[in-house]
Amino acid sequence: KNEVEQSPQNLTAQEGEFITINCSYSVGISALHWLQQHPGGGIVSLFMLSSGKKKHGRLIATINIQEKHSSLHITASHPRDSAVYICAVKYPGNQFYFGTGTSLTVIP
Amino acid sequence: ETGVTQSPTHLIKTRGQQVTLRCSSQSGHNTVSWYQQALGQGPQFIFQYYREEENGRGNFPPRFSGLQFPNYSSELNVNALELDDSALYLCASSLATGGGYGYTFGSGTRLTVV
Repeated sequence: KNEVEQSPQNLTAQEGEFITINCSYSVGISALHWLQQHPGGGIVSLFMLSSGKKKHGRLIATINIQEKHSSLHITASHPRDSAVYICAVKYPGNQFYFGTGTSLTVIP
Repeated sequence: ETGVTQSPTHLIKTRGQQVTLRCSSQSGHNTVSWYQQALGQGPQFIFQYYREEENGRGNFPPRFSGLQFPNYSSELNVNALELDDSALYLCASSLATGGGYGYTFGSGTRLTVV
């Protein structure tokens, strides 16, 4: 069964805090994406991972293929980071499966 | 041209009507996928088109259909609209269908069926 689970569902942090969002999936994948969705609905692709770790500015994404787990970290969080973060996995084949998202609110 | 553009941004339709949503893919991207995102839920895969042919389909009825055109644009058509079709519809384009290629998402069309 292809399942993608994210935790936590909701997260409130003070500005400057280090944030971690987790994603677990059930079977082998060909790629994992971390997406950011703002209240208007538009989705921005943050990272695409198939192994290891990627960093872009204050964002870091890691993936452990053996444990079927990925994390998205935000260092020195800022109110503009407030958004829904979605983990999406691509199994061999053509479909993406999405987690239900983590709603992040960063308070000044 | 960069980015994925969807139109319209918002749309209100009556139950039973038909709707066409449009997506202009990033130039050179021959793969486009459509997703339905209900309020508070993650996106659900509707179908994917690759080089103008349907290349995969999720658990959606046949009244959801699509087209992809040579100019990298595509359409999602929904017939006999139902209230539960109210959702954000997202399209995403990619250079190819393999998992190693990144996807660019549009901002979505918010459809309300009344």
